[in-house]
Amino acid sequence: GNSVTQMEGPVTLSEEAFLTINCTYTATGYPSLFWYVQYPGEGLQLLLKATKADDKGSNKGFEATYRKETTSFHLEKGSVQVSDSAVYFCALSTDNNNDMRFGAGTRLTVKP
Amino acid sequence: GAVVSQHPSWVICKSGTSVKIECRSLDFQATTMFWYRQFPKQSLMLMATSNEGSKATYEQGVEKDKFLINHASLTLSTLTVTSAHPEDSSFYICSARALGQGGTEAFFGQGTRLTVV
Repeated sequence: GNSVTQMEGPVTLSEEAFLTINCTYTATGYPSLFWYVQYPGEGLQLLLKATKADDKGSNKGFEATYRKETTSFHLEKGSVQVSDSAVYFCALSTDNNNDMRFGAGTRLTVKP
Repeated sequence: GAVVSQHPSWVICKSGTSVKIECRSLDFQATTMFWYRQFPKQSLMLMATSNEGSKATYEQGVEKDKFLINHASLTLSTLTVTSAHPEDSSFYICSARALGQGGTEAFFGQGTRLTVV
């Protein structure tokens, strides 16, 4: 079945540090891949997405590239800010499977 | 993007009572909505898939008689926690996809914090 494996946290960085959160997936068919962010006490917000191989999703300085050869969708940001502190979820869905599968979530804390 | 509204955002109830949580898609039609449960500092656990006009599909280990799901229209799904107990206290989140778009992103409600005392 479809699944997502995400880098375990928590991750603590200093402001302006480089961020990478690893995500790999297993899926039948051709999945779409997503990164969601959850701020404390809130629901999930879509951060970025990629719908086919070699696509790069980007938003708010975050990027992730859909790598079919390595079945990965790692999240990166060149310079994190305190306001980026949140939990990040990698997720996938396929056209023939209506639900969405999530990774375990990675808690990021950015210190000034 | 599309908006999913979840209500209430928090609720406190007494043990043994029932609580209903609503999930509405405000500007699109959703044939399918999903209900998740999230424990503190943990990931989302899919509880069930709610299908408009038919019975919900529950994940293994989720009690269908305890977590009643009704998807009466293309814009509304409800989750009722029946005979709630303190162990049901959790953060419940719904999500929805636009009609006929299985591969695109899901839109999430803001979540409901349930506390059973």
